[in-house]
Amino acid sequence: GQNIDQPTEMTATEGAIVQINCTYQTSGFNGLFWYQQHAGEAPTFLSYNVLDGLEEKGRFSSFLSRSKGYSYLLLKELQMKDSASYLCAVVWAGGYQKVTFGIGTKLQVIP
Amino acid sequence: GAVVSQHPSRVICKSGTSVKIECRSLDFQATTMFWYRQFPKKSLMLMATSNEGSKATYEQGVEKDKFLINHASLTLSTLTVTSAHPEDSSFYICSADTDRPSYNEQFFGPGTRLTVL
Repeated sequence: GQNIDQPTEMTATEGAIVQINCTYQTSGFNGLFWYQQHAGEAPTFLSYNVLDGLEEKGRFSSFLSRSKGYSYLLLKELQMKDSASYLCAVVWAGGYQKVTFGIGTKLQVIP
Repeated sequence: GAVVSQHPSRVICKSGTSVKIECRSLDFQATTMFWYRQFPKKSLMLMATSNEGSKATYEQGVEKDKFLINHASLTLSTLTVTSAHPEDSSFYICSADTDRPSYNEQFFGPGTRLTVL
């Protein structure tokens, strides 16, 4: 299957750092997205990783290890507005750009 | 750039009626458009993939005769939920893929919340 695993819920304190992990089946892997989704809204793009390593973009960073089938999203200097679901989505090799989403990690930032 | 719109944003209909949802790429041509469904507290589930001028590719378990997809142009795809029932109530989201050489990011529409009474 194309199982994508990520924690369902996390809680972190405002100003802190939080890491959200995602593991996936490596067969057919082509790339990995992280999206942010606030309740009742469509997902918004955060990052896309194809190669191994860490990509930093402001307060958000994303890491990928292709051989281990592992990625994480790192959020620094947490703000209350960061409370949202964070979706890990894998792009599979094939004719179309098929993307499978994980269940999402609901992050709650507390004061 | 890369804005995707959906219409309507919300729709309430009676059981047995059909509902059409439009997805438009406003400032780019979408090579491929995707339709997702999201139930409360669940992740996005891909329903179908459509390319302009060809039949949509449906995911396993999605009834193609119930969820009609028409990808009439490179900027418009429509999803028609035929003979809707209460269990079809969900958040329907479309996304569009571009042919930008950098990477194939999917741009999501704002979603359509369907409630079937």
